[in-house]
Amino acid sequence: DAGVIQSPRHEVTEMGQEVTLRCKPISGHNSLFWYRQTMMRGLELLIYFNNNVPIDDSGMPEDRFSAKMPNASFSTLKIQPSEPRDSAVYFCASSTSRPDTQYFGPGTRLTVL
Amino acid sequence: GESVGLHLPTLSVQEGDNSIINCAYSNSASDYFIWYKQESGKGPQFIIDIRSNMDKRQGQRVTVLLNKTVKHLSLQIAATQPGDSAVYFCAERGNNDMRFGAGTRLTVKP
Repeated sequence: DAGVIQSPRHEVTEMGQEVTLRCKPISGHNSLFWYRQTMMRGLELLIYFNNNVPIDDSGMPEDRFSAKMPNASFSTLKIQPSEPRDSAVYFCASSTSRPDTQYFGPGTRLTVL
Repeated sequence: GESVGLHLPTLSVQEGDNSIINCAYSNSASDYFIWYKQESGKGPQFIIDIRSNMDKRQGQRVTVLLNKTVKHLSLQIAATQPGDSAVYFCAERGNNDMRFGAGTRLTVKP
């Protein structure tokens, strides 16, 4: 069992650039979550999907952030344009139902210069 | 200068001792609770869960206690090992939402 897969593991970019983070949930899980973790704010839920449909995006900070889930095995979180304050570790998690035990990926460490 | 950010509670224990990590939750309607462990550079990992109709659940070296009267959750780790050093989060499910606590940093001294 591969677990939740995220790519890239590290991303360094310059302010204003577009950033795309990718996630493959555990096969058979029908809920997917995107989180951001920073020293300042801890672990924050950005958005979650159930059966590929966005259910709650109230945690998305602003219009620069968007997320998609075109199928049950893939999701993206996009930041355009990126800003230095977006620097954080972004986690993807999946579960069999929502809300229930979530299994986290290894995270993507994003640095925006 | 002083750093600004989340000031995580810290627990330092001697290897072999028992550890108790506490969590106060906010929603009296929460019906499901989870403890996660996050090691440096990794994502949170599920440790143990408990439903609100129980007050105790045991796993391998870990025990979770739930006191609904005072909305308190604790994680007990028996015979703490260096590999237990991590940040531990509690999470509660209530109102169709899962909320995470700020976490407690456990440091195990050899």
